[in-house]
Amino acid sequence: GAGVSQSPSNKVTEKGKDVELRCDPISGHTALYWYRQRLGQGLEFLIYFQGNSAPDKSGLPSDRFSAERTGESVSTLTIQRTQQEDSAVYLCASSLGPGQLGDGYTFGSGTRLTVV
Amino acid sequence: DQQVKQNSPSLSVQEGRISILNCDYTNSMFDYFLWYKKYPAEGPTFLISISSIKDKNEDGRFTVFLNKSAKHLSLHIVPSQPGDSAVYFCAASGTGANNLFFGTGTRLTVIP
Repeated sequence: GAGVSQSPSNKVTEKGKDVELRCDPISGHTALYWYRQRLGQGLEFLIYFQGNSAPDKSGLPSDRFSAERTGESVSTLTIQRTQQEDSAVYLCASSLGPGQLGDGYTFGSGTRLTVV
Repeated sequence: DQQVKQNSPSLSVQEGRISILNCDYTNSMFDYFLWYKKYPAEGPTFLISISSIKDKNEDGRFTVFLNKSAKHLSLHIVPSQPGDSAVYFCAASGTGANNLFFGTGTRLTVIP
């Protein structure tokens, strides 16, 4: 597609339930990033995928968080046993490849997750 | 630990005047800096960047200044227009890093 697509755009879930967030990157973009923004905070790096290389998971806040990406296509971010502190806007971005930092990123519109 | 800081959560400026948004960072290994603009319900979009080998980069109405000794950068918008009203994020990265570090954002309102 023309841009990075994320779904759902909004998600309200009960504490303790699992949620799955989806990101469709721009076709041909080998790099994919997940960030989140909690209220009043900056964008926080979660995970980075580059082609078929092992992902950089250094930003995942706990083992309740995991993400997958098949090749250079769709990625899913899964949060298990959600907590209220997980409430945030989850943003996905893609880029042409390594070294395409910053100006090479295209962000999706995000998924607003609310845990009640 | 917030490595990139934007200490002003909001800024209001009259249309036609200059808007100055500030950003400070703590990591001396950062060598590439960017500004992103974000409208409600949209993802951030890239605005302008600067490498640490420069102290100024200009693109139309937007200029970014970098003061490495002070670990400070600023974004100047002149003249400001109502369409510039958005949240502006400062971001930084170091050589070989896989990700950007973002500030908390400054909400700019340009008053017509």
